[in-house]
Amino acid sequence: DTGVSQDPRHKITKRGQNVTFRCDPISEHNRLYWYRQTLGQGPEFLTYFQNEAQLEKSRLLSDRFSAERPKGSFSTLEIQRTEQGDSAMYLCASKGQGWANEQFFGPGTRLTVL
Amino acid sequence: AQTVTQSQPEMSVQEAETVTLSCTYDTSESDYYLFWYKQPPSRQMILVIRQEAYKQQNATENRFSVNFQKAAKSFSLKISDSQLGDAAMYFCAYLYSGGGADGLTFGKGTHLIIQP
Repeated sequence: DTGVSQDPRHKITKRGQNVTFRCDPISEHNRLYWYRQTLGQGPEFLTYFQNEAQLEKSRLLSDRFSAERPKGSFSTLEIQRTEQGDSAMYLCASKGQGWANEQFFGPGTRLTVL
Repeated sequence: AQTVTQSQPEMSVQEAETVTLSCTYDTSESDYYLFWYKQPPSRQMILVIRQEAYKQQNATENRFSVNFQKAAKSFSLKISDSQLGDAAMYFCAYLYSGGGADGLTFGKGTHLIIQP
């Protein structure tokens, strides 16, 4: 399967703990995106990378959130000092060159903060 | 900032019938793309259809077609000959194509139920 993969698929943590999610994009895609989707809502853009450069961050990405894509391949999203409001599905997507190209989404990581 | 509104939280249609999902958006830009994405239960989101704003012709993909009204900022999705596999959440999304911002702006979604 050469689609976008995310790990883990589910994460349960206690408030105040740190969590890290991983996304592996489609191999030839240079752009990688993170979105957050809460129950009953559409995905909300968090940040994106072109190769290893983080080019845009949403105001939703508080200072407790950090994303990296160190070698322009996989990416990690870390949430420090988790809060109950962080409970959501975190989606990763990747895209090749060109504005009209489709963003391919991964299955998501569902985070539950107790 | 651009916004996308889907006013129908849920729609129901009989199998083999036609259904139309509504989407309106607000933007001050003239160059952009619009998308419909499908999110089946517990499965990943996939692209259904895409429309470039500079194209007057409405996009079609097999049983899926759009009615793009640029002046009205309306972008509806028509599904013909509905099938059980069409049951899913459908999201309308906007992307500015002028450079810089590259994240999709999504609506809240419409839950489509297909009745056998």
